[in-house]
Amino acid sequence: DAKTTQPTSMDCAEGRAANLPCNHSTISGNEYVYWYRQIHSQGPQYIIHGLKNNETNEMASLIITEDRKSSTLILPHATLRDTAVYYCIVGIRGSNYKLTFGKGTLLTVNP
Amino acid sequence: NAGVTQTPKFQVLKTGQSMTLQCAQDMNHEYMSWYRQDPGMGLRLIHYSVGAGITDQGEVPNGYNVSRSTTEDFPLRLLSAAPSQTSVYFCASSPTPGTGFTDTQYFGPGTRLTVL
Repeated sequence: DAKTTQPTSMDCAEGRAANLPCNHSTISGNEYVYWYRQIHSQGPQYIIHGLKNNETNEMASLIITEDRKSSTLILPHATLRDTAVYYCIVGIRGSNYKLTFGKGTLLTVNP
Repeated sequence: NAGVTQTPKFQVLKTGQSMTLQCAQDMNHEYMSWYRQDPGMGLRLIHYSVGAGITDQGEVPNGYNVSRSTTEDFPLRLLSAAPSQTSVYFCASSPTPGTGFTDTQYFGPGTRLTVL
């Protein structure tokens, strides 16, 4: 599986958009980009995933560059409850039973 | 649905003791996995299963055994606990590709294990 690179930490003001970047320059053509988050002490929670088109759901938006070497997770109106570690993972569709988690980005939403 | 459940929530062992961490899911998922998470680190895959009777090793399998006799349950056994196995253990399940496939892994709440 391709490796991802994320900033160690980021801050965001409550109510503002949080934009979390991820580099995955060695991604293969059949690999998807998945985002999970882990709120302190809890199990990780799925957020969104995509292949090459931008995706949006009730939690977030995922923007993938045209060359697919990087992506950005957008939380449009961050709240204090969005404070968590966010993991960007790449993998083949249907192989999510063996995800490779890095250290992720600690997003702190400040009042 | 209860989702993915894990027991116990907390456990303290002495070096050399054995124990089984329980994991169950009620979503009829074929895929199940065990991860461990050490402080300040991401999750590392220990073992996984793609169906009843089928298991395979992940990144850090040494010191752990698994079996999968039913779709619902996937216990993790520590054969002889060591301080290096002090960690938080997460179990997860996910559906197989098919009708209504969501490509999502669902995690349990974790078991916090301390080995003295």
